[in-house]
Amino acid sequence: DADVTQTPRNRITKTGKRIMLECSQTKGHDRMYWYRQDPGLGLRLIYYSFDVKDINKGEISDGYSVSRQAQAKFSLSLESAIPNQTALYFCATSDIGQGGSEQFFGPGTRLTVL
Amino acid sequence: AQSVTQLDSQVPVFEEAPVELRCNYSSSVSVYLFWYVQYPNQGLQLLLKYLSGSTLVKGINGFEAEFNKSQTSFHLRKPSVHISDTAEYFCAVSDGDNFNKFYFGSGTKLNVKP
Repeated sequence: DADVTQTPRNRITKTGKRIMLECSQTKGHDRMYWYRQDPGLGLRLIYYSFDVKDINKGEISDGYSVSRQAQAKFSLSLESAIPNQTALYFCATSDIGQGGSEQFFGPGTRLTVL
Repeated sequence: AQSVTQLDSQVPVFEEAPVELRCNYSSSVSVYLFWYVQYPNQGLQLLLKYLSGSTLVKGINGFEAEFNKSQTSFHLRKPSVHISDTAEYFCAVSDGDNFNKFYFGSGTKLNVKP
């Protein structure tokens, strides 16, 4: 099931480099989310978007930026990567206006910052 | 904001034994509750969800969960586990009103031993 895809799947980079992680979805959902997963911390919300013109910060947005290029595309950027941004990053989508709508997750991008 | 507590970071269990993974959340206002599973090197997959109605919810792969409003809990259970159930399990809460934001627990790693 490739409804939510993420590229790249793995990335190793150096401190100070600019990195972009991309997410695409074919589910037709308006809402998209970026999370990071760290061992023992679960998933934490970085940014979320309800449509192309609506972008909101999550609980850990510092050091990150996003772009919603189209309904189907939501990119996460690290302007100047640092080692503590080493994590597993997930994109997710959900349907609009439905209380209790589940979120659908991509396969994740494992980012290592040296 | 909600907070979600999964007290057990790891649960070892023998194959064919029953298991319960605990989840408690912070607020008793109207919430929607979810359990997701993450197999190694994969994204999150929905196991089950509680929106309303019967407090016992059945999901995929023989899992079930019981919503207990007075105890603000949503524990996940399976009467007989298999090796293939080895994975990390995440409890998530959405208050629905807040634009479908999810709050995740820190995860419980279920290790099923032969």
